[in-house]
Amino acid sequence: EVQLLESGGGLVQPGGSLRLSCAASGFAFGSYTMSWVRQAPGKGLEWVLAINSGGADTYYADSVKGRFTISRDNSKNTLYLQMNSLRVEDTAMYYCAKPIRHLEAFDFWGRGTMVTVSS
Amino acid sequence: QSALTQPASVSGSPGQSITISCTGTSSDVGGYNYVAWYQQYPGKAPKLLIYDVSNRPSGVSNRFSGSKSGNTASLTISGLQADDEADYFCSSFTSSRTLVFGSGTKVTVL
Repeated sequence: EVQLLESGGGLVQPGGSLRLSCAASGFAFGSYTMSWVRQAPGKGLEWVLAINSGGADTYYADSVKGRFTISRDNSKNTLYLQMNSLRVEDTAMYYCAKPIRHLEAFDFWGRGTMVTVSS
Repeated sequence: QSALTQPASVSGSPGQSITISCTGTSSDVGGYNYVAWYQQYPGKAPKLLIYDVSNRPSGVSNRFSGSKSGNTASLTISGLQADDEADYFCSSFTSSRTLVFGSGTKVTVL
C-alpha cells in the first residue's frame, strides 16, 4: 500500500525557516519524480516544486523560486522541502504527491502538514 | 503561471449530468494531453479522477469522464449522486515543464 506521511509543519514568524519531510513507502520511491503541492486555507491547489527521481533536476513555481528548495534521500525514501524567507502568503497545507509517471497527474497524496506564517 | 479557469460553482439534481470546464492556453491545456481532474472533500487530500485527459485510474467510477477541445478541458459527472458534492480541480502540464492547477469548482447536488 502506497503511503506518504508529511511532517515538520507548524507556526513560524515571517522571514523564518521550516523544513518539511515526506516519508514514502509501498512503491519504488527512487523511480519517481516527486512533488510538493500546497493549499492555502479556503483556496485552491498550487503546485510548488518537483524533483526528478535521481535528484539532479528540480522544478519550481515562480512563487517560491529562490526561497524554497526541494531535495530527496532515496536511501531513506524521504522527500524534503526547505522553506526560507517565509511569507504570510506561504500559509497553507503542504502535500507530498506521487505522480503516475512524471509530472502529469498525482495518483497518491499524503494527508498534508500545515504551515502557518504569522507574527 | 496563472491558474487555469474553472467556474466557481456548478449544481445539478440527483441523476442529472453536469460538466465542469477548465480553460487554459496553448502552453498548457491546448499543448499537451496531460490534463488531470481531482475531487476533494473538505479537510481531505485530493483524489485523482482522470489523467491524460480521459483516462480513469483503477477504482474510479465510470460516471466520471474527461475530454478536451482546443484550450478547454471538461469533466462530466453523469448520474449525479449526493456524495459527488465536493470541490473539483483540473491540472495541466505546461511548456515550462511545470504543473498548473485550475481555480476549482464547487459542485452542489440540489
